[in-house]
Amino acid sequence: AQSVAQPEDQVNVAEGNPLTVKCTYSVSGNPYLFWYVQYPNRGLQFLLKYITGDNLVKGSYGFEAEFNKSQTSFHLKKPSALVSDSALYFCAVSSFSGGYNKLIFGAGTRLAVHP
Amino acid sequence: GAVVSQHPSRVICKSGTSVKIECRSLDFQATTMFWYRQFPKQSLMLMATSNEGSKATYEQGVEKDKFLINHASLTLSTLTVTSAHPEDSSFYICSSSPLLAGAQETQYFGPGTRLLVL
Repeated sequence: AQSVAQPEDQVNVAEGNPLTVKCTYSVSGNPYLFWYVQYPNRGLQFLLKYITGDNLVKGSYGFEAEFNKSQTSFHLKKPSALVSDSALYFCAVSSFSGGYNKLIFGAGTRLAVHP
Repeated sequence: GAVVSQHPSRVICKSGTSVKIECRSLDFQATTMFWYRQFPKQSLMLMATSNEGSKATYEQGVEKDKFLINHASLTLSTLTVTSAHPEDSSFYICSSSPLLAGAQETQYFGPGTRLLVL
């Protein structure tokens, strides 16, 4: 069965410092991996995805993620954090079964960027 | 990017009443829409997959008679919470993909509906 793990409930970073939000996955077959961000009382916003090709994926708002097949990881990164990056981040893996493209989400990681 | 809207954004109702939530794809056609439920400080739980013109597919443990889903057109899906009770209070989010395709397609999410049942 497909699954996603986000080992950290919360990540605290000082503004201007690099940030990493961790994600590991377990899939059978090729992994299709996604990162979404959720601000309070809002839906999810798509940040980036890995389908195939270059292991370093660049996305919205300066975020990027590195796909590592040997470590089954897809960590989200940003070189310099902003206070406005504070939000809830979800990693997800796509499972295509029964004719539908289902997303399986990790538990989420709350990012707090301090001034 | 693709835009998905939801209405209402917030609803408060009395126990025993029914509440309808609309999910619309504004700039694309969506043969498939997904309905999720999110409890405070928790992840999203897929409730059902809605297909235009056919019956929805419900995830295990989700009561189909409780959560009625109708996908009447390529841009509109509705979720009706029937005979709502306080335990149904939650944040409901819909999503869709512009194309009915494989697992590589991005799902775009609506802004969510906060339901509070008194």
